[in-house]
Amino acid sequence: AQRVTQPEKLLSVFKGAPVELKCNYSYSGSPELFWYVQYSRQRLQLLLRHISRESIKGFTADLNKGETSFHLKKPFAQEEDSAMYYCAPLLCHSGTYKYIFGTGTRLKVLA
Amino acid sequence: EPEVTQTPSHQVTQMGQEVILRCVPISNHLYFYWYRQILGQKVEFLVSFYNNEISEKSEIFDDQFSVERPDGSNFTLKIRSTKLEDSAMYFCASMILNEQFFGPGTRLTVL
Repeated sequence: AQRVTQPEKLLSVFKGAPVELKCNYSYSGSPELFWYVQYSRQRLQLLLRHISRESIKGFTADLNKGETSFHLKKPFAQEEDSAMYYCAPLLCHSGTYKYIFGTGTRLKVLA
Repeated sequence: EPEVTQTPSHQVTQMGQEVILRCVPISNHLYFYWYRQILGQKVEFLVSFYNNEISEKSEIFDDQFSVERPDGSNFTLKIRSTKLEDSAMYFCASMILNEQFFGPGTRLTVL
């Protein structure tokens, strides 16, 4: 079955501490993987996608095909990183595309 | 920068009533989506729309739901006879180059 697992519903870290938000996926094929973020009272927005290999706001994510994981990391968390984070593989089937969202992890960065 | 817009931001309706949620996708995008998020739960795919027809729909998207693109700009989600369990945030998105851009959402409350 196609599934995305974000095991932590809530992750609290202190400012300046490293943070890792876990994401494991299971489905066939080679997914394109994304992280979306939703700041308080704002819309869902793209944080990063694995094919671009960019670092956005200090976040990186490495696709590990062996472990089928796409964990999001940042070496030094900032208070403004507090938000909901969603891991989202993009599925392509018969030419149509859709995201399968994980359950999300709420990151709280404490002062 | 162009954004996806949605109206209304909040809709309250009585059970059994019809509602229409409206979205204006970004103008040069070709793929359109509706997702919903029940309070405290994950974002769920409802339907994708391309080339003036539904390309995929989820199990949630039953006969009570329909989508239309009545003109070149609007993309609507209609729920024919609302149920209490339809209460949720409904997000519209449009896609280009495999990146989806989300609207701010419409909060639907069914009483």
